Amino acid sequence: GNSVTQMEGPVTLSEEAFLTINCTYTATGYPSLFWYVQYPGEGLQLLLKATKADDKGSNKGFEATYRKETTSFHLEKGSVQVSDSAVYFCALSSYNQGGKLIFGQGTELSVKP
Amino acid sequence: GAVVSQHPSRVICKSGTSVKIECRSLDFQATTMFWYRQFPKQSLMLMATSNEGSKATYEQGVEKDKFLINHASLTLSTLTVTSAHPEDSSFYICSASAVANTEAFFGQGTRLTVV
Repeated sequence: GNSVTQMEGPVTLSEEAFLTINCTYTATGYPSLFWYVQYPGEGLQLLLKATKADDKGSNKGFEATYRKETTSFHLEKGSVQVSDSAVYFCALSSYNQGGKLIFGQGTELSVKP
Repeated sequence: GAVVSQHPSRVICKSGTSVKIECRSLDFQATTMFWYRQFPKQSLMLMATSNEGSKATYEQGVEKDKFLINHASLTLSTLTVTSAHPEDSSFYICSASAVANTEAFFGQGTRLTVV
């Protein structure tokens, strides 16, 4: 079945450091891929998405490129801020599954001043 | 963007009682709503999918008699945790999508604590 695997956390970085959170997936067909962010005690917010191969999703300085050849959707940011501290989830949705999402295990990011 | 409101945000109940959680789409009609459960420091696990006017489809391992889901209108779905026990304590999150095969929007989640 479909699945998503993320790099394990927690990840601790200093402010202005470069961030990469790896995400790989297994799916039949051509899924849509997402990154969600969850701040402490809150629900999920969509950070970015990509719906087809080679698409690049971007938002708030974060980027991720849909790589079908490596089945990956790694999240990157050039310079993190303390306010980026949160848990990040990679997820996929298959076309015939509507809005049903399969999530990775989440990666906790802590940015220190 | 589309707004999904979940209520309550936090609830504490006694063991053996039932708790109802509401999920509302405020500015769109949700044909499909999803209920997820999240244990501390873990990922979200889909519990069930509900379509307006029909019975919910539960994921394997989820007790349908314990987690009652109703989707009586295009803007409201409810999850009732019946005869709650401490092991039901968790973070429950709903999401809603307007049209099949489109993006789903998340509520802010409900922290349930059973004492």
